[in-house]
Amino acid sequence: GDSVTQMEGPVTLSEEACLTINCTYTATGYPSLFWYVQYPGEGLQLLLKATKADDKGSNKGFEATYRKETTSFHLEKGSVQVSDSAVYFCALRDSSASKIIFGSGTRLSIRP
Amino acid sequence: DTAVSQTPKYLVTQMGNDKSIKCEQNLGHDTMYWYKQDSKKFLKIMFSYNNKELIINETVPNRFSPKSPDKAHLNLHINSLELGDSAVYFCASSFPGGTEAFFGQGTRLTVV
Repeated sequence: GDSVTQMEGPVTLSEEACLTINCTYTATGYPSLFWYVQYPGEGLQLLLKATKADDKGSNKGFEATYRKETTSFHLEKGSVQVSDSAVYFCALRDSSASKIIFGSGTRLSIRP
Repeated sequence: DTAVSQTPKYLVTQMGNDKSIKCEQNLGHDTMYWYKQDSKKFLKIMFSYNNKELIINETVPNRFSPKSPDKAHLNLHINSLELGDSAVYFCASSFPGGTEAFFGQGTRLTVV
């Protein structure tokens, strides 16, 4: 079945450092891909999405590009802030479009 | 305006009790979901409903019974609660097809 594998955490960076969180997927067909963020004590919020190959999703300085050839959707940010500390989930909507499948989450902590 | 709202936010109860969690969405979506997030933050789908019809039941024990009185509501009833049911339960909704899901704030269930 469809699945998502993402970089294990926790990841700890200093403020203004560059961030990459790796995500790869296995799917039949052409799934839509998402990054969700969960701030402490809160629910999940959509951070960005891409619905077809070579699409780039972006929001709040974060970017991810849908790479069909490498089945990847890595999350990147050029300069992280303390307020970016959260758990980040890579996800896909499966080929039947009946559910969203999540990776295991990556906890990101940013030091001032 | 809250898009996906679930109540209660916290629920502490004893083993063997029966409890319900309510979910409502005002986004006009056709599809609603229940997800379970364990202590390691792993998110797993439990149920998916489309226009009040059950379309996914991911081998959840039959102590869990979802009910969808209309397409804006999906409630979760749990019978004979067990310690292992302790988790955060998220309700979500979406339009059909390859779109993102919107999540509620979660219900933290603690069984003692």
